[in-house]
Amino acid sequence: SQQGEEDPQALSIQEGENATMNCSYKTSINNLQWYRQNSGRGLVHLILIRSNEREKHSGRLRVTLDTSKKSSSLLITASRAADTASYFCATAQGGNTPLVFGKGTRLSVIA
Amino acid sequence: KAGVTQTPRYLIKTRGQQVTLSCSPISGHRSVSWYQQTPGQGLQFLFEYFSETQRNKGNFPGRFSGRQFSNSRSEMNVSTLELGDSALYLCASSADRTNTGELFFGEGSRLTVL
Repeated sequence: SQQGEEDPQALSIQEGENATMNCSYKTSINNLQWYRQNSGRGLVHLILIRSNEREKHSGRLRVTLDTSKKSSSLLITASRAADTASYFCATAQGGNTPLVFGKGTRLSVIA
Repeated sequence: KAGVTQTPRYLIKTRGQQVTLSCSPISGHRSVSWYQQTPGQGLQFLFEYFSETQRNKGNFPGRFSGRQFSNSRSEMNVSTLELGDSALYLCASSADRTNTGELFFGEGSRLTVL
């Protein structure tokens, strides 16, 4: 079953603009992770934010986490055509339960 | 360090056949997870192995099975293939014992069932 649900399902922006993707989840978590997938390839880990953190940065990525609303957002600043990919959030509940992925947001960055 | 390697990358089978997919994790990683990815269902968890023991299993029929060897390499098998089994099968390894760490994914095995 899907724990995280991303919104929007698809997003199209111009190069240089910022892209924001949201993720909502249902149960308490240990951490939330964001992954990227280029078309038909494997997923690549982008960033992990723990349940006691509210914001985290990595290069052009900024992730926020609101555990009271059970939601997270991923912001990609100054997007590039190479950022075109699908982005997935995944929740880790701990206790040896597996990482559960949402259905992803498909981002298209137009040059 | 070599990444996660999955073989074969592409394969075509017919209904009723069986298939075995292989995954070699990153050296030193003892946890291997398998996911099925389809356009309609997204990434669905199949199973996870840690030190040769199945630690978690997703909600898939018994036609889907897996195992892990002492060198942490893992295989999954799907018997009596159905058209709906067409998917990208992704393997991921982790050094984390608690399933809270980062997963390292292979490029996947794309299965087409005709």
